[in-house]
Amino acid sequence: DAKTTQPTSMDCAEGRAANLPCNHSTISGNEYVYWYRQIHSQGPQYIIHGLKNNETNEMASLIITEDRKSSTLILPHATLRDTAVYYCIVRAGAGSYQLTFGKGTKLSVIP
Amino acid sequence: GAVVSQHPSRVICKSGTSVKIECRSLDFQATTMFWYRQFPKQSLMLMATSNEGSKATYEQGVEKDKFLINHASLTLSTLTVTSAHPEDSSFYICSAGTGRGGYTFGSGTRLTVV
Repeated sequence: DAKTTQPTSMDCAEGRAANLPCNHSTISGNEYVYWYRQIHSQGPQYIIHGLKNNETNEMASLIITEDRKSSTLILPHATLRDTAVYYCIVRAGAGSYQLTFGKGTKLSVIP
Repeated sequence: GAVVSQHPSRVICKSGTSVKIECRSLDFQATTMFWYRQFPKQSLMLMATSNEGSKATYEQGVEKDKFLINHASLTLSTLTVTSAHPEDSSFYICSAGTGRGGYTFGSGTRLTVV
């Protein structure tokens, strides 16, 4: 699976949009971009995933650049409960393959 | 939908004893489940892949005789930490593929070996 690079930490004011970047310059054509988050001492929570089109669900939006070498996860109105470590993961296919976690981005939402 | 239940959430055991952790898929069948370990301030590290009806596949450096995995049904995988020692103290997390491109994780088990 392609390697991803994320900033170690970010701050965001409560109520503002949180934009979390991820670089995956070696991504191949059949690899998906997944985003998960982990709130302290809990299991990771699925947020969103995409292949090449932008995606939106009730939690977030995923913007993937046209060359697919980077993406941005957008939390439109961050709340204190969004404070967590966010993981960007690139993985091939949609079958039952394991996810490989990097260090992620620690997002702190500030009141 | 797609809920994975993991028990216990927290366990303290004495050094030398064994501990079993259960991972159940509540509303879907999971032919494959994954077991991760997470040390403080570190990321999740895959330990093994659990396949229903067959032997688990362990990652390099993970002792298969120490971390016994059983996946006897499509909804249950267990991880047994045998002869636990303080260095096995960690946060253990299971996950299962939902078959729709997503993965669901259990809430994790905090193991403390004293």
